Amino acid sequence: QKEVEQDPGPLSVPEGAIVSLNCTYSNSAFQYFMWYRQYSRKGPELLMYTYSSGNKEDGRFTAQVDKSSKYISLFIRDSQPSDSATYLCAMAGNQFYFGTGTSLTVIP
Amino acid sequence: NAGVTQTPKFQVLKTGQSMTLQCAQDMNHEYMSWYRQDPGMGLRLIHYSVGAGITDQGEVPNGYNVSRSTTEDFPLRLLSAAPSQTSVYFCASSKTWDGSYEQYFGPGTRLTVT
Repeated sequence: QKEVEQDPGPLSVPEGAIVSLNCTYSNSAFQYFMWYRQYSRKGPELLMYTYSSGNKEDGRFTAQVDKSSKYISLFIRDSQPSDSATYLCAMAGNQFYFGTGTSLTVIP
Repeated sequence: NAGVTQTPKFQVLKTGQSMTLQCAQDMNHEYMSWYRQDPGMGLRLIHYSVGAGITDQGEVPNGYNVSRSTTEDFPLRLLSAAPSQTSVYFCASSKTWDGSYEQYFGPGTRLTVT
């Protein structure tokens, strides 16, 4: 069983839609949870970083962590064409583990 | 701050050739790591270092060597390139190894082995 599972998509939504991206994980020792955004032919850039369970909001982005279900989510409100990218979840306990990424396209 | 820098951006090698991918960071981070990214496989850890003079293997270390003589630099060596090493390589750094600080990525090196 992989440490982190992420639906690869692709996901295609109209501009202005709410986007929900999700990951599940198996290791209950994970304490730190991250979302990275990766544009085509670029390196991953950190989007959201949370510790333990709960919600964190930053502008149009909200990260949720449910440790009891081993489930994390990223919500994007009022999605824009500039949000079109691959989104990778990541988590850490004693090292970093990454999901395979979900490809998102926001159609104008 | 330049952050994490990688050179070269692109490289084409013939099977059997060797080369070194360079990685440097100017954030005084102790933890540095190398990943390869292949379609459908996500980011896979090759080697990592928790400080100068200390390195260890990740998930896919075969065919690669690393060393860490300074805090700033963490080069990745391909000993005898194989077509299976065609990939995009990312270097990353963080203050610590346990995830309690964010990990920052370089722009990547796109390697093709023919």
